[in-house]
Amino acid sequence: DTAVSQTPKYLVTQMGNDKSIKCEQNLGHDTMYWYKQDSKKFLKIMFSYNNKELIINETVPNRFSPKSPDKAHLNLHINSLELGDSAVYFCASSPPPGYRDSYNSPLHFGNGTRLTVT
Amino acid sequence: ILNVEQSPQSLHVQEGDSTNFTCSFPSSNFYALHWYRWETAKSPEALFVMTLNGDEKKKGRISATLNTKEGYSYLYIKGSQPEDSATYLCAFKDSNYQLIWGAGTKLIIKP
Repeated sequence: DTAVSQTPKYLVTQMGNDKSIKCEQNLGHDTMYWYKQDSKKFLKIMFSYNNKELIINETVPNRFSPKSPDKAHLNLHINSLELGDSAVYFCASSPPPGYRDSYNSPLHFGNGTRLTVT
Repeated sequence: ILNVEQSPQSLHVQEGDSTNFTCSFPSSNFYALHWYRWETAKSPEALFVMTLNGDEKKKGRISATLNTKEGYSYLYIKGSQPEDSATYLCAFKDSNYQLIWGAGTKLIIKP
């Protein structure tokens, strides 16, 4: 009964390939996020979706495209992979801003996807 | 530019000792302050969400305080155990619901 699940856990691929990482949450949350753990181990927000609509889009190459088929899923597609894309990517979810539970609600993270581009 | 700073960056503590570290955040437009525990090769797990000035929260041997007027929160760990070794992250949520993360304090407990 994993709350936020990401697949795959590990992804090894070659430069130039296109790949996707899937994320699903069963918490009934409206807001989902993609974070990247950079080389210095910092968590950097990439995207945030609220009920399938994009609300945060940080400075991320347009090779990265999030897709939200429904509010329980937020997938990350990466085109033309580069060596520098190697990182751990975390999906997370939370109740939406302003929602009665969001005041005290933390983010719930998936277990991460370690992407290695060779 | 909103800045969240955590200190120290890393900390070595003898097993059994108590310790604390700091999260500094903007003192305006405060909405909430989050603390997370992030073990190596795992995902961040929430410890506390603090919303009111003067809040004190406790979970087992871990507790946290909040001062929104001066913009800081302390996390305390009493009687450190090896399983406490992790990176502790704080995140400041402003009144626009934007969540800004600190870089974390890496805690290493020496047996």
